[in-house]
This record gives sequence, C-alpha cells and structure tokens, in this order.
Amino acid sequence: TQLLEQSPQFLSIQEGENLTVYCNSSSVFSSLQWYRQEPGEGPVLLVTVVTGGEVKKLKRLTFQFGDARKDSSLHITAAQTGDTGLYLCAGGGNTGKLIFGQGTTLQVKP
Amino acid sequence: DTGVSQDPRHKITKRGQNVTFRCDPISEHNRLYWYRQTLGQGPEFLTYFQNEAQLEKSRLLSDRFSAERPKGSFSTLEIQRTEQGDSAMYLCASSLLRTNEKLFFGSGTQLSVL
Repeated sequence: TQLLEQSPQFLSIQEGENLTVYCNSSSVFSSLQWYRQEPGEGPVLLVTVVTGGEVKKLKRLTFQFGDARKDSSLHITAAQTGDTGLYLCAGGGNTGKLIFGQGTTLQVKP
Repeated sequence: DTGVSQDPRHKITKRGQNVTFRCDPISEHNRLYWYRQTLGQGPEFLTYFQNEAQLEKSRLLSDRFSAERPKGSFSTLEIQRTEQGDSAMYLCASSLLRTNEKLFFGSGTQLSVL
C-alpha cells in the first residue's frame, strides 16, 4: 500500500515568515502533485513534479521532488495571509489514481 | 461555468436512510474520480471511472456504496443505510487520460448523518 506522510500536520506562523512542508513515502511515484484547498471547496492543483531532483517555482512557492522520487517539499517564502489553507501532496502511479497525504493546515497570521 | 459540478452541496440525513450524490465532470474529460475527505485530512480514494467503465474500487468502499457513470458523462454515488461514520465531504474530480494527469475537483457534497 502506497502511503504519503506529510509534516507538519499543522503550522501557525506570522506573515513574512518562511516555511517548509514535507511529503515523504517509502514508495516511488511517477509524479507528485501539490494541491491547495480552502474550507468548503475542492483542492486546486498548484504544481506537478515528475523528474527526480526537479525544482519548480511558482512566485513565492518552491517545490522540489526528491532524487529517488519518494519525497517532496514545498517551501513558501515570506508567507502572506492569503497563503492560509490546507496543503496536500498527492502521488501518482501507473494506475491513474492519486494517493493523497493527510495534509498540512497552514495558518498565516497578520 | 465549465468546471466540475456536484449536487447537492450539503446533505443532512438520518441514520439508515439512502442518499445519492451527482457529479457532472468537465465535458471532454474521460476519467472521473470519487474521493471522501474528513475535516483536516487528505482526500481518500473511493473509486474511479474511465468513460463508463469502473476501473477500480477502494477496499474501504463497503457494499453499501455504489457508483455509476452510465453514459460516460455524469456520475452518481449512492450510499445505502447510512451510518454516522459516513459523515464526510464527498469530492468528485475529473481528468483527461494522459501521463501525469491533472485532476480538477468539484466543491464537494458535505454529508452529515444524524
């Protein structure tokens, strides 16, 4: 069974601080996706990483896929209150379905 | 709006009742997924369709759950004899079959079983 473990599960920081969220597994994934979800809405895709060691940047967000394609990280620089939400990593395999981590709830205080 | 549409947004029911949810995917998407999510947790895979064929069901999906996608377009998820443990957000997502496919999620149906 493929599992994704996210850490931390909850993060509360002040606006302007930096943070990193981790997503780890003992399984290899063909791709790894990061989603952001707001209360009462469905997850929205932020990025997909497919190559081991790949780094992608989306404004203040930096995503990295581990060399062995078993782990990933999301780094946010100078967090803003609008970054508040549930961040989810999801691993994709050959079967098509995505396996999600349990999520990291981020609260950015003004 | 050409996104994934789910109906109803909220459903309150009494234990033992049957409920049915509907999902209308993005029109050209051939894959449709159902996930279940509890508060503060990640979505949990339930089942998925490619066109009208149901390709995989989670072992978590008891016999009380059934999903259909009769014409390869909209899908329904039925829960029979609901239990309090069924209370959750039920999310539908659709995608185009391709490598590293991107899932588009609906806003979900929030089920509360009293």
